[in-house]
Amino acid sequence: DVKVTQSSRYLVKRTGEKVFLECVQDMDHENMFWYRQDPGLGLRLIYFSYDVKMKEKGDIPEGYSVSREKKERFSLILESASTNQTSMYLCASRNNYGYTFGSGTRLTVV
Amino acid sequence: GDSVTQMEGPVTLSEEAFLTINCTYTATGYPSLFWYVQYPGEGLQLLLKATKADDKGSNKGFEATYRKETTSFHLEKGSVQVSDSAVYFCALGRMDSNYQLIWGAGTKLIIKP
Repeated sequence: DVKVTQSSRYLVKRTGEKVFLECVQDMDHENMFWYRQDPGLGLRLIYFSYDVKMKEKGDIPEGYSVSREKKERFSLILESASTNQTSMYLCASRNNYGYTFGSGTRLTVV
Repeated sequence: GDSVTQMEGPVTLSEEAFLTINCTYTATGYPSLFWYVQYPGEGLQLLLKATKADDKGSNKGFEATYRKETTSFHLEKGSVQVSDSAVYFCALGRMDSNYQLIWGAGTKLIIKP
């Protein structure tokens, strides 16, 4: 069964910490995405990547960066976490047939 | 720009009731339309899709018809079960944007036994 795996289901971090959210897919997909999900706002695209070492800003990139050193891994980085980055983070990968999502990481910044 | 509007939730129904979750869109041209479902504690899964006007997508007893004249893609099910409790997202995708998706806000569905 194809999978997108997010390394943590729940994280609690302090304001100002550098936070890494990891996502790994085993489907050899070229396209990978990071979204945040907030009640009433749906999914908002943070960053996406079409290939190794390539990245594109989504709709809300401020305060985030990403890394794609290998095809299967797409990391989201919060350089200095703030309380307004408390959210559910969803990673996805995509091929011509559609998207596959990970189970999400619920991040709380205190 | 493109946008998707869903009815606000939560929607609460009794088991075996008829379900409609409204979705309308604003877009030029001919986008593809999708419904995704998110069960508690899980990521999103594709429920059904339609790629052109008058197409009907269906899966697990759910249906939605791509209506270009009303720019709608309403999700329906004839008899819901407690296991259908989830958050449902309507989304729009374009081939010319490499099928990046524009998402609705999501509708939480609660089914009571």
